[in-house]
Formats: sequence, structure tokens, C-alpha cells
Amino acid sequence: DTGVSQNPRHKITKRGQNVTFRCDPISEHNRLYWYRQTLGQGPEFLTYFQNEAQLEKSRLLSDRFSAERPKGSFSTLEIQRTEQGDSAMYLCASSLIRSGETQYFGPGTRLLVL
Amino acid sequence: AQKVTQAQTEISVVEKEDVTLDCVYETRDTTYYLFWYKQPPSGELVFLIRRNSFDEQNEISGRYSWNFQKSTSSFNFTITASQVVDSAVYFCALSEAPGNNDMRFGAGTRLTVKP
Repeated sequence: DTGVSQNPRHKITKRGQNVTFRCDPISEHNRLYWYRQTLGQGPEFLTYFQNEAQLEKSRLLSDRFSAERPKGSFSTLEIQRTEQGDSAMYLCASSLIRSGETQYFGPGTRLLVL
Repeated sequence: AQKVTQAQTEISVVEKEDVTLDCVYETRDTTYYLFWYKQPPSGELVFLIRRNSFDEQNEISGRYSWNFQKSTSSFNFTITASQVVDSAVYFCALSEAPGNNDMRFGAGTRLTVKP
């Protein structure tokens, strides 16, 4: 029984560089979510997919951020032209298709932008 | 708009003490879901419980218990006979339904259990 996995676990980059994170959800889960968590705060919703369709985006998701889930399985989150304010933990979660269903989280990718 | 408030930023107890973590929520919906997650130092959010708005029964799971009161919009979490391994940040979260699938989290309560 494998849970949600995320890679890499840690990423250090210089300001202005592009970074990409990957999330592999629990295999039978149709929905996949991305959250951002800064120090001392709870996770903040960024976007979610139902199968391959991106159905909702938060206002936090600026035009430098893009997420894809091309085959309805794994997802990638790309940040272009990173800024120091992008430093955070990026969490991925997955759930079954029913509304309100429990979301199970991966270990996160911790990004540090220097 | 939905909102979750965890007024206790940090709590410190000695092992074997009981401790209650408070959670107050705001929502305009009549159908919604409440959750508690645990985030140990390793960083991964661990699911603890899910409760829908139509089920106000309190729940007990081992040393954990939850008190859901719609009248006060609260969903409090009690750990009985706390242990050092309970040390973590605990998040309460709210999800409205149908259609709104993002969960809103509180800011979390950092619980430290000292031996």
C-alpha cells in the first residue's frame, strides 16, 4: 500500500531559476491537490485536478506557477523565475472523486530560493 | 467565506496529562466536512479524523477524542494521557461541499509533550 509520493524532497535554487516538482498520488485516487505551506502556517490551497482536468486555481497561483496532470496520474508543479517569497513547503494530496472525501498528503517538497 | 481558527498557537504539557486543542470554524454552507491532521517533525500531514456536518456524534479512538458542536461551530480534539510521541503540530481543516474542494486549514497548534 503506497501513499502519496513527492520528488524531490528538498530543492535549493537561485532566484530567477525555474523548478519543477513531481507528485505521484495514491493509485486509485482521481483527485490531486497542490498546497503551499509557509513556516508557522497551515497549508494553503493552490490548485486541484480531477483526473487530467485542472478544475480550480487559487489566486495564490500566479502566472509564474503552472501545474499539469497530463495522463490523470502523476502531476507536476512548475515555478518559473523563482523569487525568495516562493520559499515554502509544497504539499501534494490525493483523494477519491467524492466531494469532501479525505485528502491524503505526501511528504512535501521543501523549496529554498536563495 | 470559510475560515478555521485555532487560537492556541503553542501548548506544552507533561506526559500523562490530558490536553484539548480548540478549533472554531466559519462557513455559510449547511453541508461541510471537518478534519484534523497531525504534522510531526518529519513534515508529512497525517490524517486523524473526518466528520461531516450532519454527524454530531462525538468520537473516541484510543487516547484521542473529538467533540463536534454545531451550536458553537467548534470541533475540539482531546488527547488523554498524552505521550512524548504526540508532540507535533495539529491542524484543523474545513471543506465545504458540493463543488468547493479546497480545504481551509487553521494555523495549527504546536503541542509539546515533555517527559
